Amino acid sequence: AIRMTQSPSSFSASTGDRVTITCRASQGISTYLAWYQQKPGKAPQLLIYAASTLQSGVPSRFSGSGSGTDFTLTITYLQSEDVATYYCQQYYSYPRTFGHGTKVEI
Amino acid sequence: EVQLVESGGGLVQPGGSLRLSCVASGFNFTTYWMTWVRQAPGKGLEWVANIKPDGSQKSYVDSVKGRFTISRDNAENSLYLQMNSLTAEDTAVYYCARGIGDSWGQGTPVTVSS
Repeated sequence: AIRMTQSPSSFSASTGDRVTITCRASQGISTYLAWYQQKPGKAPQLLIYAASTLQSGVPSRFSGSGSGTDFTLTITYLQSEDVATYYCQQYYSYPRTFGHGTKVEI
Repeated sequence: EVQLVESGGGLVQPGGSLRLSCVASGFNFTTYWMTWVRQAPGKGLEWVANIKPDGSQKSYVDSVKGRFTISRDNAENSLYLQMNSLTAEDTAVYYCARGIGDSWGQGTPVTVSS
C-alpha cells in the first residue's frame, strides 16, 4: 500500500497567517491526490482534488499543488473557522490511503 | 441537495456481525462509485472499501478482506456494508461517501465490545 506522510502533525498559527501543510507519497501518484478538512464531531469535507483543483464552494484561500510524490496544501490568510484537522488521500491505487492528519489550531 | 444517511451501527460482541446501510438522495446514485471510510475513536481516517456504479468491481483494505462485503441496490439508492467476524479494532464511526469523497454522510458508530 502507498504510504502517505503528512507534516507537521499539528501546529498553532495566528489568524491572517499563511499556512502550508505537506504530504509525501511513498511512491509516485501523479496528481491523484485529495485534501480534506475535518472539524471536531463532523464528517470530512473535500477541499481539493486532482492535487490542485478547488472543490466547488470551497473558499479560494485554500490551494493545492504538487505532483508525483510531494504535495502541499496552502491556506492563505488563516481564519478562525479553519481550525480543523486536514488529511491528504491518494486515489492512484488500491487500497486508497490517507495521511495521518495535520491538526491546525489558532 | 446531495444527502447520504447511514444507519445500522451499534454495539456488537466480538465475533458478531452488523450490516450498515447508506441511503442516497439528490443525485443520480446509479452513476457514482461509492465508498466506505471509517474513523476509530481519536484516530485518523481509514478507507475501507468502494464499489463501482454497476456493482461489478469492489475493492477493500487488507484488514477487512474476507470479513466485510460492500454492495449496493441501485433501485433503492442504497449502499451497504456487511461486516462479519468483528473485532475491537473495527470499532469506529463508519462514513459512506460519494466517489472520492465530494459528499459524506454523518456517520454511524460501531462499537465492538463484550
